[in-house]
Amino acid sequence: GAVVSQHPSRVICKSGTSVKIECRSLDFQATTMFWYRQFPKQSLMLMATSNEGSKATYEQGVEKDKFLINHASLTLSTLTVTSAHPEDSSFYICSAMDPSHKREGGGYTFGSGTRLTVV
Amino acid sequence: QKEVEQDPGPLSVPEGAIVSLNCTYSNSAFQYFMWYRQYSRKGPELLMYTYSSGNKEDGRFTAQVDKSSKYISLFIRDSQPSDSATYLCAMSEMYSSASKIIFGSGTRLSIRP
Repeated sequence: GAVVSQHPSRVICKSGTSVKIECRSLDFQATTMFWYRQFPKQSLMLMATSNEGSKATYEQGVEKDKFLINHASLTLSTLTVTSAHPEDSSFYICSAMDPSHKREGGGYTFGSGTRLTVV
Repeated sequence: QKEVEQDPGPLSVPEGAIVSLNCTYSNSAFQYFMWYRQYSRKGPELLMYTYSSGNKEDGRFTAQVDKSSKYISLFIRDSQPSDSATYLCAMSEMYSSASKIIFGSGTRLSIRP
């Protein structure tokens, strides 16, 4: 089945620094990827839709200058948390759907997530 | 009002019991309904999906959608301790690679041996 790889799985950074998270579709091309954020014991909140070759679409309340998204190829989207602060500490997850599985109804595949801790 | 409402639990049942998990939603445009299972500190994995109203069965799992009531359910028969996880309902307006998914808050389920 479709696989989405996310890296790193865990990262600890100092306040004020930037952190880049990568999301790769391993065996399919994804023109669209989604970035979610999940706080402990809470649901996944959609942050933005990443579009290959164009600007990302951000959900209301998400700072686009804070969370930079780049989708430069059909298999890679990156989320950069700029000038990170402790309140940015969270679990970040990406997802994509393999269009070739659409007929099978295979659904959307999620990465394994990145746990960001800002100290 | 949230677009998707789900009781966060926690829900604890004995092994072998039938589990019923539910979500309600407000957006009548939702057509594609999914249930995901998420273990701690992991990404969600797809369990079931249904399109529009109706029932779907897969092994011990049954998904039901009632669009007239804007209500979806997931039933787990013969529950096992390994079923202990957080279950998230999710839905979208279209089933396409560009259609965003809206999640419920998730229900934490614990199966007691």
